[in-house]
Amino acid sequence: AQTVTQSQPEMSVQEAETVTLSCTYDTSESDYYLFWYKQPPSRQMILVIRQEAYKQQNATENRFSVNFQKAAKSFSLKISDSQLGDAAMYFCALAFTSGTYKYIFGTGTRLKVLA
Amino acid sequence: DAGVTQSPTHLIKTRGQHVTLRCSPISGHKSVSWYQQVLGQGPQFIFQYYEKEERGRGNFPDRFSARQFPNYSSELNVNALLLGDSALYLCASSLRVSDRGPNEQYFGPGTRLTVT
Repeated sequence: AQTVTQSQPEMSVQEAETVTLSCTYDTSESDYYLFWYKQPPSRQMILVIRQEAYKQQNATENRFSVNFQKAAKSFSLKISDSQLGDAAMYFCALAFTSGTYKYIFGTGTRLKVLA
Repeated sequence: DAGVTQSPTHLIKTRGQHVTLRCSPISGHKSVSWYQQVLGQGPQFIFQYYEKEERGRGNFPDRFSARQFPNYSSELNVNALLLGDSALYLCASSLRVSDRGPNEQYFGPGTRLTVT
């Protein structure tokens, strides 16, 4: 079975500090892709960062970076220099194709940023 | 440029009824995906369409169906509505579907469906 698990329903971080959101997954596929999406309150979901499983180098996008541990099936998101605008639900997602595409999202982590 | 648009914004239906939700992708995008997001949970993948053909399907009953039109807009249809179908239905568009992996998806604001 393909699963994505986010074990932290809620996290808090002080403005300007660093926070790490956890995600573990399970798949028998060898070729897959991992994503972190951000869903601000009452606003549209947007892509934060993407990682191809065949790439060993961890993806980075400005203040956002991932720690991709393929053997451990772990894909955590680190947010540096947290800003008030980072407050949102964060979803980890797994996508793969074996003939057809399929996407699996985790249950999300609500991030609160404290001023 | 306009982003992904969805209509209607909100909808209230009664159990057993049928509903049609609509999505217009970003101009130039040829792929549309549909997701169901129940309150407090992550999105659940329903369908992906590319060039008017179904390219992916999640674990949803046959009451759920979709299609994509020549202008790449899409409809999601749900028959025989159940209380459990109450959710936010999200549409996402992407430029294409490639064997080299999924393109970035751009999500719409969603349609909030309430079944009473």
